[in-house]
Amino acid sequence: QQPVQSPQAVILREGEDAVINCSSSKALYSVHWYRQKHGEAPVFLMILLKGGEQKGHEKISASFNEKKQQSSLYLTASQLSYSGTYFCGTEYGGTSYGKLTFGQGTILTVHP
Amino acid sequence: KAGVTQTPRYLIKTRGQQVTLSCSPISGHRSVSWYQQTPGQGLQFLFEYFSETQRNKGNFPGRFSGRQFSNSRSEMNVSTLELGDSALYLCASSWTGGYSTDTQYFGPGTRLTVL
Repeated sequence: QQPVQSPQAVILREGEDAVINCSSSKALYSVHWYRQKHGEAPVFLMILLKGGEQKGHEKISASFNEKKQQSSLYLTASQLSYSGTYFCGTEYGGTSYGKLTFGQGTILTVHP
Repeated sequence: KAGVTQTPRYLIKTRGQQVTLSCSPISGHRSVSWYQQTPGQGLQFLFEYFSETQRNKGNFPGRFSGRQFSNSRSEMNVSTLELGDSALYLCASSWTGGYSTDTQYFGPGTRLTVL
């Protein structure tokens, strides 16, 4: 089942903050966040693992609430380069080799 | 290190034809996954290959098939094309396909248009 992302779209001015949520009705094993710019490949941002371990890069942080089966991506002091569509990809464990189930995406637009 | 490459980048076909798309993973990566991306359905998993074996498959009809070669390069084939197959086809590679600790890197995709 597809995770649900909210909000569907966000418009910011440079320097403002944003939070993107990813919720699942099934127990999550891990959550993977990606950003995709128009016409380009999705770019990996971060992995959050069950148990709280985080792996990522860039000045972006995230959290994983096991109780709520929800992950949140925090974008602080946004820059123009943060514009794009953000996807969460969820892994449900077991024999889910190579399979990520993606949310519908959140479109983030940062204006000068 | 070179990234994931996909060829061709753009393809136009007509209904009923078949098409083969190619994906070369990052050097050393043995897992290749394929996804279909459309505005209506988003990113949907097609299948995953590891060491020339399909380990996982999404909910797509049998017209969609794939294979992986000994050098980890992968191809996917769509037979009897339908208008609804128009999409961006993305492949992604990782070391092992165990994504809990394994980062998945995407290629630029092949844009398929079916007329």
